[in-house]
This record gives sequence, structure tokens and C-alpha cells, in this order.
Amino acid sequence: QSVLTQPPSASGTPGQRVTISCSGSSSNIGSNNVNWYQQLPGTAPKLLIYSNNQRPSGVPDRFSGSKSGTSASLAISGLQSEDEADYYCAAWDDSLNGPHYVFGTGTKVTVL
Amino acid sequence: QVQLVESGGGLVKPGGSLRLSCAASGFTFNDYYMTWIRQAPGKGLEWVSYISSSGGTRDYADSVKGRFTISRDNAKNSLYLQMNSLRAEDTAVYYCAREREGGRFDYWGQGALVTVSS
Repeated sequence: QSVLTQPPSASGTPGQRVTISCSGSSSNIGSNNVNWYQQLPGTAPKLLIYSNNQRPSGVPDRFSGSKSGTSASLAISGLQSEDEADYYCAAWDDSLNGPHYVFGTGTKVTVL
Repeated sequence: QVQLVESGGGLVKPGGSLRLSCAASGFTFNDYYMTWIRQAPGKGLEWVSYISSSGGTRDYADSVKGRFTISRDNAKNSLYLQMNSLRAEDTAVYYCAREREGGRFDYWGQGALVTVSS
């Protein structure tokens, strides 16, 4: 089971700002970088944000990430219809069994 | 351009085995760690295993440890996942992904569906 907790859903109208939270612990978000992935319906996930707040080439600047303590968040400004997708946070977890990678529970964003 | 193409998925009975392959192209394969990630139908993402660029370091999720083996052939630009003692809960789409520093997976394959059912 996932150790990173996200709200199951979020929604907004076109042009609005939507924020997705990701709650972890000192062994994952508290000590490692957070990455965010976007999964459009029926497709493979795509890297959206890396190292807490960095955007890969080609990702629109309306997507932004931040991290504070053991939590992280993804913001989508100026929401567009093509942003309707599932979003996952992720990080390495320095567990006692050795480092394992963990994903968040996922958030489905709906554009109203 | 970077491409990752999985193959080898299919229907297998509980207790059976299957070997997934991931063919890489468009980058220097032996420079990168590689990872397998899976997604059960209608569920979220689950990290399965990673392997270092040389193949000397590997790790597995607790849910597959002792049953799955990750390997790579750098001469063939290929990544593999040998899955033994398969269970119904292993049913999922399996993705291979290229890993960069900080645990970011910057390229993903299209996925291979594995169905474990009698």
C-alpha cells in the first residue's frame, strides 16, 4: 500500500487554479526529492515535475511543484480541458528494508 | 528519440511464469538505471524493481521479492523481468522506465498487460 497520501479527486473550471497535496513522512518526502507524474486516460504516465519544483522540457509553466517538510503539492494554474488526468506524487523512501520507491495514491483531476 | 517498447505480456495461470522484455533505443542504454513499474486495473502506480546501469545492483518491492528477477543485457539494449509463482494480484500493466537522478522516470514504455487467471 502507498505511503504517500493524496486526495482522490480535485476539480475546477477552465482557467481556475487547482492544487493537489501529497503527504508523506520523514523517510520519504522529508528526506528525498518529490516527483510528479501525469497520466492521461489510456496512456502511460509522463514526468511532470521533478526534484520538487523542476519542469522537464515541454511541460507548460502552468504546472508548478513545491515541498515543505513532509508534504508536497502540485499546482495547476489556468486549468485547461487537456489537464483532465490522474496525477501521482512519488519519492524514494529510506525504509529499514532498504530504499524503495513509493508513489502517492493518485488524484483524479476533472475539468468541469 | 528515446523509445521503450515492452513485450511478453499475456494470460498465465496462477503459479505460472512469464518473462517481460523492454527494448530500448535512442539513448546510451548502459548509462542509465532502469525500472519496472506496474498498475493493476483501475488502481494506482506501484514500483516493482530497479537495476543499476551495470546490472550489479538490483532491488525489489516487498510484494515481488523472491518471485521476480530483473536483469538487463546492455549489448542488446534490453531490460527483462522474469516473473515466477505468479498470483492473481500480479495482474497489471507493466511499464519499463528510464531512471534519472533523484528517482525521476523521464521516459516510459507503452506498457505490457499481464493477466494471472485460471
